Amino acid sequence: QQQVKQSPQSLIVQKGGISIINCAYENTAFDYFPWYQQFPGKGPALLIAIRPDVSEKKEGRFTISFNKSAKQFSLHIMDSQPGDSATYFCAASGGTGFQKLVFGTGTRLLVSP
Amino acid sequence: NAGVTQTPKFRVLKTGQSMTLLCAQDMNHEYMYWYRQDPGMGLRLIHYSVGEGTTAKGEVPDGYNVSRLKKQNFLLGLESAAPSQTSVYFCASTRAGQGYEQYFGPGTRLTVT
Repeated sequence: QQQVKQSPQSLIVQKGGISIINCAYENTAFDYFPWYQQFPGKGPALLIAIRPDVSEKKEGRFTISFNKSAKQFSLHIMDSQPGDSATYFCAASGGTGFQKLVFGTGTRLLVSP
Repeated sequence: NAGVTQTPKFRVLKTGQSMTLLCAQDMNHEYMYWYRQDPGMGLRLIHYSVGEGTTAKGEVPDGYNVSRLKKQNFLLGLESAAPSQTSVYFCASTRAGQGYEQYFGPGTRLTVT
């Protein structure tokens, strides 16, 4: 069974701090690693994604770091804001056959004012 | 452009009852998915479809059936609801070959008593 392991389960960060969420995968055939953001009562939405041939991707305050040899990737939220409080899911796609997403178990982030 | 819509938003069923959840998308996407979200377990794929008239099983298909008679609609059926099916159900869609970038609906909260 393909898996993506995510940690921590929950995270509290002070406003202006850095939030870091980590994920690890097993299947080396995965070829895309997106992060989804979900606000309470809403569906998840794509936040940022990276391919395994890139070690880092930055979009505004959000950065994905990717370590192919360790099969790990992480999301960094710089200058965290209360509006970033949400649940974040890492995911992986690709491998044999149809492109499905395998999700991590989620991290609930709370940014305190 | 409504994106992905789901009907109903909330539903309470008694054990053994049946129901159908409707997902509709207006983005002309080829792929559609049904997920369930449970605390601490992330998003798990129930069934998916790569096109009109085609469906396939995901990670947790037991107790559910699906149909995709029209490209824009994807129906999820529960033939005989069980308390273990209490969950939040999300529908998603994407373009062919873009499995990592899925667009999610707002979800249906189902409680089975």
